[in-house]
Amino acid sequence: EDQVTQSPEALRLQEGESSSLNCSYTVSGLRGLFWYRQDPGKGPEFLFTLYSAGEEKEKERLKATLTKKESFLHITAPKPEDSATYLCAEDTGRRALTFGSGTRLQVQP
Amino acid sequence: DADVTQTPRNRITKTGKRIMLECSQTKGHDRMYWYRQDPGLGLRLIYYSFDVKDINKGEISDGYSVSRQAQAKFSLSLESAIPNQTALYFCATSDPSLRDGYTFGSGTRLTVV
Repeated sequence: EDQVTQSPEALRLQEGESSSLNCSYTVSGLRGLFWYRQDPGKGPEFLFTLYSAGEEKEKERLKATLTKKESFLHITAPKPEDSATYLCAEDTGRRALTFGSGTRLQVQP
Repeated sequence: DADVTQTPRNRITKTGKRIMLECSQTKGHDRMYWYRQDPGLGLRLIYYSFDVKDINKGEISDGYSVSRQAQAKFSLSLESAIPNQTALYFCATSDPSLRDGYTFGSGTRLTVV
């Protein structure tokens, strides 16, 4: 059964305090690992897709990395506008994306 | 205009009523999806459709049905709404490559009283 686990559930940072979010995925048959950002009351917004171990992608203060069993979303020097819920999802080709429950990030000024 | 439009944005309905949530997309993609989101449970797949004639159940399809009226339209129905179907519902679309992931609508907040 496809399963995606995210940790921590919630994270509170001070502005400028870097940290990482974790996503563990179903190891066998991974075709793609996706990261999304979701603001309250809105639909998830696509950030990155990673396909193979060792791959990295960056966008502004965010960098996503992929190992053979997990993915990390690194947030460097975050700002209050980075506050959101971050979701990861996996594609194993079996049907549709399976999502984790998300990490709620709050960045305080 | 948004790439994926969901209507209504908010709806309060009574237990036992039939309700339809509508979704339309302008991306020109064949694939469309319905997910529900509950606090602490993330997004769970209800139904998905890879083209107009291909409709599949997701992990939580009981109590729901769908209709794919055209490539651009995919509606979700609750035949007899119950309170534990209170949730945020999202429609999404993608191309088969998933290169840009899913494009989501803004969601429908449904409350069943």
